Amino acid sequence: AQSVTQLDSQVPVFEEAPVELRCNYSSSVSVYLFWYVQYPNQGLQLLLKYLSGSTLVKGINGFEAEFNKSQTSFHLRKPSVHISDTAEYFCAVSPSVVQGGSEKLVFGKGTKLTVNP
Amino acid sequence: DAGITQSPRHKVTETGTPVTLRCHQTENHRYMYWYRQDPGHGLRLIHYSYGVKDTDKGEVSDGYSVSRSKTEDFLLTLESATSSQTSVYFCAISATNQPQHFGDGTRLSIL
Repeated sequence: AQSVTQLDSQVPVFEEAPVELRCNYSSSVSVYLFWYVQYPNQGLQLLLKYLSGSTLVKGINGFEAEFNKSQTSFHLRKPSVHISDTAEYFCAVSPSVVQGGSEKLVFGKGTKLTVNP
Repeated sequence: DAGITQSPRHKVTETGTPVTLRCHQTENHRYMYWYRQDPGHGLRLIHYSYGVKDTDKGEVSDGYSVSRSKTEDFLLTLESATSSQTSVYFCAISATNQPQHFGDGTRLSIL
């Protein structure tokens, strides 16, 4: 079984500052990794995904994440945040296609990013 | 989003009453999922479907049942609602081995 730990439940930052949201996972099999964003009163939107290949993954809205297999991490970064990035961010993991399916997606508990002026 | 419609969007009901939530998709995806979202718990899978009439339990399935009689519709039923089932419910869909895409959610309050 897989598990996900998001190390910070809340992250406050000032506008135009860089931000890193941390995610660590645990799995005995190879995995796919995802970041989703949830704006207030909305559903989850896929921000980026790692399936295979380059360990640096670029997503929408200027976000990127780096898959580090040795440290079992998939931290999300943005070099300069905007007020509009205020949202909750969820890291998720599932077994890769060889092992199972996307139906076994497991979510972290979320990190609330607040961008202050 | 991604051709997913959840209905109703908001519902208030009383303990002990039956409740059915509907998820409708226009993407013809094989997989459909029901999650609940609660503060401090993130999203937890209730049930999922991998085809018409093919369903399986998730992490928090007790007190819930599902049905999928058509590819496009996935119903979640609370046979006898309890206050602990007050939550925000999300439907998601995915093609095989592709990321899940989520609906806008149903806010359910059980008094």
